[in-house]
Amino acid sequence: NAGVMQNPRHLVRRRGQEARLRCSPMKGHSHVYWYRQLPEEGLKFMVYLQKENIIDESGMPKERFSAEFPKEGPSILRIQQVVRGDSAAYFCASSPPSGENIQYFGAGTRLSVL
Amino acid sequence: AQKVTQAQTEISVVEKEDVTLDCVYETRDTTYYLFWYKQPPSGELVFLIRRNSFDEQNEISGRYSWNFQKSTSSFNFTITASQVVDSAVYFCALISGGYQKVTFGTGTKLQVIP
Repeated sequence: NAGVMQNPRHLVRRRGQEARLRCSPMKGHSHVYWYRQLPEEGLKFMVYLQKENIIDESGMPKERFSAEFPKEGPSILRIQQVVRGDSAAYFCASSPPSGENIQYFGAGTRLSVL
Repeated sequence: AQKVTQAQTEISVVEKEDVTLDCVYETRDTTYYLFWYKQPPSGELVFLIRRNSFDEQNEISGRYSWNFQKSTSSFNFTITASQVVDSAVYFCALISGGYQKVTFGTGTKLQVIP
């Protein structure tokens, strides 16, 4: 049973470009979460999604950031017109639909904005 | 509002020493879950333990043990006979109030010196 898969592991973008981060949850998991870890800091919640629905996006910046979890395919975190301050590690987690409160994390995508 | 405090930013110990990582949490909810995650130098997040608010029994898993005390809102983590492979950043985390987003502490960086 594969774990949470994130790709790419490392992503380099120039200011103004778009960044797309992908997350495939564990098999059987229908809940996906995105977190951001700034250098030397803990993880901060961004968004919680279920298939085709955004449940809680209270941690998402109001502009340039969006997330989706389509019926088919991975969840995508999209950052438009990236700026240097977006440089961080972005982690995806998933949990099963049973209400079990354990979130299993992927290895993260490290975004560097030049 | 939920908050997790890990007052120890960095700890260094010599191999085979015991070490305790402190975690203090805040929540107004009576139902909540506490977690510990390990982040080794490779960057991924590894789930270690979950505790719910109704279960104050301490837990031991090999060299790891956890002490949950509601009276002091603490959930401390002890590694016995530390090893170099224990070197990592350890995060304490909280889910409460029926919400699914995890609130993380800022982490404690543990360095085990051979």
